[in-house]
Amino acid sequence: NAGVIQTPRHKVTGKGQEATLWCEPISGHSAVFWYRQTIVQGLEFLTYFRNQAPIDDSGMPKERFSAQMPNQSHSTLKIQSTQPQDSAVYLCASSLQGSYEQYFGPGTRLTVL
Amino acid sequence: GQQVQQSPASLVLQEGENAELQCNFSSTATRLQWFYQHPGGRLVSLFYNPSGTKHTGRLTSTTVTNERRSSLHISSSQTTDSGTYFCAIDGTGGYKVVFGSGTRLLVSP
Repeated sequence: NAGVIQTPRHKVTGKGQEATLWCEPISGHSAVFWYRQTIVQGLEFLTYFRNQAPIDDSGMPKERFSAQMPNQSHSTLKIQSTQPQDSAVYLCASSLQGSYEQYFGPGTRLTVL
Repeated sequence: GQQVQQSPASLVLQEGENAELQCNFSSTATRLQWFYQHPGGRLVSLFYNPSGTKHTGRLTSTTVTNERRSSLHISSSQTTDSGTYFCAIDGTGGYKVVFGSGTRLLVSP
């Protein structure tokens, strides 16, 4: 069991460019979560999928951020026209159907110059 | 929405000392989880403990749901325990998780 896999581990973009972050949940886990971690704001919930369907995106900035889960083995978080304030560690987590215990990936550190 | 308060914000110990980390939350939480994060590392689940007491190794978690508090006790601390400990509870709407701001622990030799 490799755990939750996130790629890339580090990404540097220029202001205005697009960034796509990938997450592969633990095999058999039906729920996928995205969080953002910064020094100032701490850990913030972004969005949640269950059985590939978007359930709650209340934490997602309404503009420029989007998330998808095209199949049960991966989810993507896309940030269009990145801004310096988007710089953060983006964390993905997964959990089993019916379980609230979440398992986290190593995160993707996004730096927007 | 749900709020989570952790204390202390930071803690410095000598190796071998015990630590008690506190988590208080704003309303009854049906799900509570303690995480550990090494600087620059991933979040590792320590306990899923919505109520009662759980032990693993030198760690003990006690959650008193109706008093809206949970604690994490670390006995005989080691330098490898250094890092940040987060308490997280269920937010409104089900699976969404709300994190506390963490307790940063430094154990010196």
